[in-house]
Amino acid sequence: QQQVKQSPQSLIVQKGGISIINCAYENTAFDYFPWYQQFPGKGPALLIAIRPDVSEKKEGRFTISFNKSAKQFSLHIMDSQPGDSATYFCAASKRGGADGLTFGKGTHLIIQP
Amino acid sequence: KAGVTQTPRYLIKTRGQQVTLSCSPISGHRSVSWYQQTPGQGLQFLFEYFSETQRNKGNFPGRFSGRQFSNSRSEMNVSTLELGDSALYLCASSFRVNGETQYFGPGTRLLVL
Repeated sequence: QQQVKQSPQSLIVQKGGISIINCAYENTAFDYFPWYQQFPGKGPALLIAIRPDVSEKKEGRFTISFNKSAKQFSLHIMDSQPGDSATYFCAASKRGGADGLTFGKGTHLIIQP
Repeated sequence: KAGVTQTPRYLIKTRGQQVTLSCSPISGHRSVSWYQQTPGQGLQFLFEYFSETQRNKGNFPGRFSGRQFSNSRSEMNVSTLELGDSALYLCASSFRVNGETQYFGPGTRLLVL
């Protein structure tokens, strides 16, 4: 049972455009929702994270939007750059972090120059 | 601060063998978690160690085990290797047990022939 569903699997965006990746979760015990960025040959790196008591969080060009009632959250990358080309994972963890992070299947993002 | 380090980076084994992977967390971090990353299943939580004790465990068979030393370094062992164990094994460290903010290492790429 996939507890965190991520879409799309792959995404191509023009340089300067907005990249949007969506995730939906099922387990209402999830209390922490991070996004990770992974480049080939590297481990995932934490980008930005949000808790359910906040509907939006922005850090630089990266914004998380969170809809608690719909159990959905999304990552927006503004002014997308070729250097943003990577695989992005959404994740969720239960209150206190027990049972580790549950990851989505990932989105392969390509920013075309 | 140095990041999470994992050794070896690449490993080739044959079915039935056993393997040990090593992880050194960020200095000061006392929690180490292990994840398996495969194209089909994505990133899956294996287990978490804190203060030399396994605190959380994912849904993996008993062939997967680990331990943590007093200096917080951790090792993961897989016995009786199967072809399906071929994966990228990622180690993540955090300051606290059940730590939500996890920092990943580059991973160990294991190929089972």
